[in-house]
Amino acid sequence: RKEVEQDPGPFNVPEGATVAFNCTYSNSASQSFFWYRQDCRKEPKLLMSVYSSGNEDGRFTAQLNRASQYISLLIRDSKLSDSATYLCVVNRGSGSSASKIIFGSGTRLSIRP
Amino acid sequence: DTAVSQTPKYLVTQMGNDKSIKCEQNLGHDTMYWYKQDSKKFLKIMFSYNNKELIINETVPNRFSPKSPDKAHLNLHINSLELGDSAVYFCASSQKGGRGQVDTGELFFGEGSRLTVL
Repeated sequence: RKEVEQDPGPFNVPEGATVAFNCTYSNSASQSFFWYRQDCRKEPKLLMSVYSSGNEDGRFTAQLNRASQYISLLIRDSKLSDSATYLCVVNRGSGSSASKIIFGSGTRLSIRP
Repeated sequence: DTAVSQTPKYLVTQMGNDKSIKCEQNLGHDTMYWYKQDSKKFLKIMFSYNNKELIINETVPNRFSPKSPDKAHLNLHINSLELGDSAVYFCASSQKGGRGQVDTGELFFGEGSRLTVL
């Protein structure tokens, strides 16, 4: 079983739709959580961190459920420019300098006009 | 001005050759990484260096040898290249969190080096 699991998609939704991605992680000692975005043939870039209380950044809302080891990303009013692969990322830092950042395999999102 | 830069961007070579990819970051970060992204787009960590010291070495063949001359540079040398080494290799860096113990987890990536082994 992979340490970070995501639905690979692809999700193909019309512009303006709301879309939700889910991610589960297996290591209960994981300490911090993120969503990254990767455009085709580009490097991944941080989209947003995920906090226990949930957090919002414009049209994007991230949620964390530590008990269920589950992370979600909600995109409202989707735009064509949201088309990308969304990577769930977990940092299971051990409290020393030997932190380990694990990437999920990504969920592909395609927004159609 | 590029925060994390890696060269070359594209590399096409024959099986059995030795090649290097260079990476430099000007963000003043303590930790640098090499990740491999294969054809299925799965990003897998290979190495992590903290202030020139090797921290993480995943189960990577000995043919891969990272070298960090200083904390701003982390190069990757690959010996005896194999077909399965074809992938995009990303260099990244991160800064420690406020308490100085755990990286915040925000990674800054280079643009990637696409290696094709024929």
